Amino acid sequence: DAGVTQSPTHLIKTRGQQVTLRCSPKSGHDTVSWYQQALGQGPQFIFQYYEEEERQRGNFPDRFSGHQFPNYSSELNVNALLLGDSALYLCASSLEGTGANVLTFGAGSRLTVL
Amino acid sequence: QQQVKQSPQSLIVQKGGISIINCAYENTAFDYFPWYQQFPGKGPALLIAIRPDVSEKKEGRFTISFNKSAKQFSLHIMDSQPGDSATYFCAASTKGYGQNFVFGPGTRLSVLP
Repeated sequence: DAGVTQSPTHLIKTRGQQVTLRCSPKSGHDTVSWYQQALGQGPQFIFQYYEEEERQRGNFPDRFSGHQFPNYSSELNVNALLLGDSALYLCASSLEGTGANVLTFGAGSRLTVL
Repeated sequence: QQQVKQSPQSLIVQKGGISIINCAYENTAFDYFPWYQQFPGKGPALLIAIRPDVSEKKEGRFTISFNKSAKQFSLHIMDSQPGDSATYFCAASTKGYGQNFVFGPGTRLSVLP
């Protein structure tokens, strides 16, 4: 049973560039959430997608956007990259309607902005 | 009010000892409290979780103690093993549509052999 897969694993960008990160949820899951984890910190909620719509958003600027596809996979886009965007970006999937959204995390995409 | 506080920041325990990590929250709307374990290079993995209608939950060597009136909860790892060395995060979420999780800053646990 494949868990959550994310790509790329690592990437390096320069300030001002744009990046797209990809996520395939765990089989059977229909909801995808994205989290940003700065070094030495806990994950911070960016947004959640369900039925191809952004359902909830954390305290992140509009430079952060996303998309969910009909097969439940998702993309996270970050425009006009800043040095402070350097972090591990985690995708988590879950199944709606199971009482508590038990999150299954991927291993993350490590973004370095130079 | 959305914050979850966690302590200690790091913890060193001898093999066979008890590891205790504490968390506190302010938002009384939180109603689900999971603990996640993260190894280097991996994403967080759910370890154990509790709802506020019970004061304790035990799964193997891992126990959550929950104090609703104090708005505090803690993770106890009994008979700690070197393989338990990881970073532990407490988290909290509210009930209902589009739940998102608020995570604590993490505790780095080292279990010495």
